[in-house]
Amino acid sequence: DAGVTQSPTHLIKTRGQQVTLRCSPKSGHDTVSWYQQALGQGPQFIFQYYEEEERQRGNFPDRFSGHQFPNYSSELNVNALLLGDSALYLCASSRRRRTDEKLFFGSGTQLSVL
Amino acid sequence: AQSVTQPDIHITVSEGASLELRCNYSYGATPYLFWYVQSPGQGLQLLLKYFSGDTLVQGIKGFEAEFKRSQSSFNLRKPSVHWSDAAEYFCAVGPINTGTASKLTFGTGTRLQVTL
Repeated sequence: DAGVTQSPTHLIKTRGQQVTLRCSPKSGHDTVSWYQQALGQGPQFIFQYYEEEERQRGNFPDRFSGHQFPNYSSELNVNALLLGDSALYLCASSRRRRTDEKLFFGSGTQLSVL
Repeated sequence: AQSVTQPDIHITVSEGASLELRCNYSYGATPYLFWYVQSPGQGLQLLLKYFSGDTLVQGIKGFEAEFKRSQSSFNLRKPSVHWSDAAEYFCAVGPINTGTASKLTFGTGTRLQVTL
């Protein structure tokens, strides 16, 4: 049983570009959340998707957007990249209807903005 | 707004020694509490969680944590540390009423170094 998979593992972009990160949740999971982890910091919640809609959002600008597909996989899009967007982006999945459910995290995508 | 404080940025212990990592939280109600571990280049792995009930919770790899409401703390402990425990440890808090514990607030982490 594959866990949460993310692609690509590493990415280098320049300021002003756009980037798309991808996530496939653990089998049986229907909820995907995205986190940004800057160097030396804890992960920060970006947003959560289930039933193909954004349900909760953290304190991130509209440059950060996402999508969830019918197969529960998800994309994170970041437009107009800034140097400060350099971070490890983590995807986590869970089952929405389980209130005691734990999150399963992927290994992340390391984004470097030059 | 909720917040998590991990006052120790870096801790070094000898292999076989006991370990306690501190975590204090600020939250308006009873939260879900978690400890995660992250090895270099890896995602986060859940060590243990507290939702309700017994305030001393057991986790994987011999870790345990105690929820103390009066102190707003959820400290992580291990009686005897192994070299493989060297990693970054994160305490996190989440809302209890969203139906899913996916919107977590993390602390800044404690880096554990184990000397042989």
